[in-house]
Amino acid sequence: QVQLVESGGGVVQPGRSLRLSCAASGFTFYASGMHWVRQAPGKGLEWVAVVSYDGGNKLYADSVKGRFTISRDNSQNTLYLQMNSLRAEDTAVYYCAKPDSYDRGYDGWGQGTLVTVSS
Amino acid sequence: DIQMTQSPSSLSASVGDRVTITCRASQGIRNDLGWYQQKPGKAPERLIFAASSLQSGVPSRFSGSGYGTEFTLTISSLQPEDFATYYCLQHNSFPWTFGQGTEVELK
Repeated sequence: QVQLVESGGGVVQPGRSLRLSCAASGFTFYASGMHWVRQAPGKGLEWVAVVSYDGGNKLYADSVKGRFTISRDNSQNTLYLQMNSLRAEDTAVYYCAKPDSYDRGYDGWGQGTLVTVSS
Repeated sequence: DIQMTQSPSSLSASVGDRVTITCRASQGIRNDLGWYQQKPGKAPERLIFAASSLQSGVPSRFSGSGYGTEFTLTISSLQPEDFATYYCLQHNSFPWTFGQGTEVELK
């Protein structure tokens, strides 16, 4: 059974950094690409970033490109999102999400961690 | 980027009603589309994948259809636990993009 547990959210000032973690279990983590998806308060879902199974390929939404870095540690079954130069518009619940074996969308989500960017 | 236009943005319905939600893609995406349900304070859950395949454990009152640019999620007989927000997601190409969401409210 897929389990994803995010941590690392909190309140941070604009321009500062934060690193989110997602601990994975219940599936073969090292064989699966992984994503981050976010949701601003009262708003819809926005795809943020993806990393390939081995960490060798990464893609980002234009809104975070150059500021956020997705990475993974397969020895620790953990996904990361390093967020730098944070802006008020980055305020959101951040979910890690697992695509199914055929990349047909997500068959597993974490509970989310809230990031609030405010002075 | 592929834009997903979802309609309506909200609807009011009663228990037992048939409900239809539509997503239109800005370009053809074959059947690379899923539907997700989200309840307040919770993560989304997948209902439908590959446009029309029912996720394991999801009640059969949910169904999906469509190919190319037009897709539909239908709830055949709305139940109390179905009041939620629904999103489509295209995974044909990156960036994966979601529809704006449809909030299904109790009439």
